[in-house]
Amino acid sequence: GNSVTQMEGPVTLSEEAFLTINCTYTATGYPSLFWYVQYPGEGLQLLLKATKADDKGSNKGFEATYRKETTSFHLEKGSVQVSDSAVYFCALSDPGSSYKLIFGSGTRLLVRP
Amino acid sequence: ETGVTQTPRHLVMGMTNKKSLKCEQHLGHNAMYWYKQSAKKPLELMFVYSLEERVENNSVPSRFSPECPNSSHLFLHLHTLQPEDSALYLCASSQVRGSEQYFGPGTRLTVT
Repeated sequence: GNSVTQMEGPVTLSEEAFLTINCTYTATGYPSLFWYVQYPGEGLQLLLKATKADDKGSNKGFEATYRKETTSFHLEKGSVQVSDSAVYFCALSDPGSSYKLIFGSGTRLLVRP
Repeated sequence: ETGVTQTPRHLVMGMTNKKSLKCEQHLGHNAMYWYKQSAKKPLELMFVYSLEERVENNSVPSRFSPECPNSSHLFLHLHTLQPEDSALYLCASSQVRGSEQYFGPGTRLTVT
């Protein structure tokens, strides 16, 4: 079945450091891939998405590239800020099968000043 | 109102109470979802409502009862809950099959 695996956190970085959060997936068909972010006390917000292989999603300085050959969708940011501290979720959907999204377990990011 | 709204934001209830959570989406979407988010556990999909289907997670206890009167409103009726049901309950909506979902802020439920 379809699944998503994220690196375990927490990830602790200093402000202005480079961020990578790894995400790999297992899926049949041609899923769309998503990154969501959850700030403390809030719901999940869509951060970026990619719908086909080699697409790059980007938003607010974050980027992720849909790599079919390595079944990966790693999240990157060149220079993190304290305000980026949150939990990040990788997710996939299979447009051919159902409305459901499959989420990874989430990675907590803590950015220190 | 814009996006997905949920009320109440916080709820404390005893095990013998009956309460309902409300979700409303203002995005014109065709599918709505209930998720449960517990500490140190993966996000759990509880129910899906769409124009084409209703999907239930068979592991969700019958003390949770969903209701979807139209494509913009979704309720979760709660009765005789247990302390382990304490969690953040998230509502979401999406336009079409396989597209991104938009989440509400959640209801923080505490069962005493």
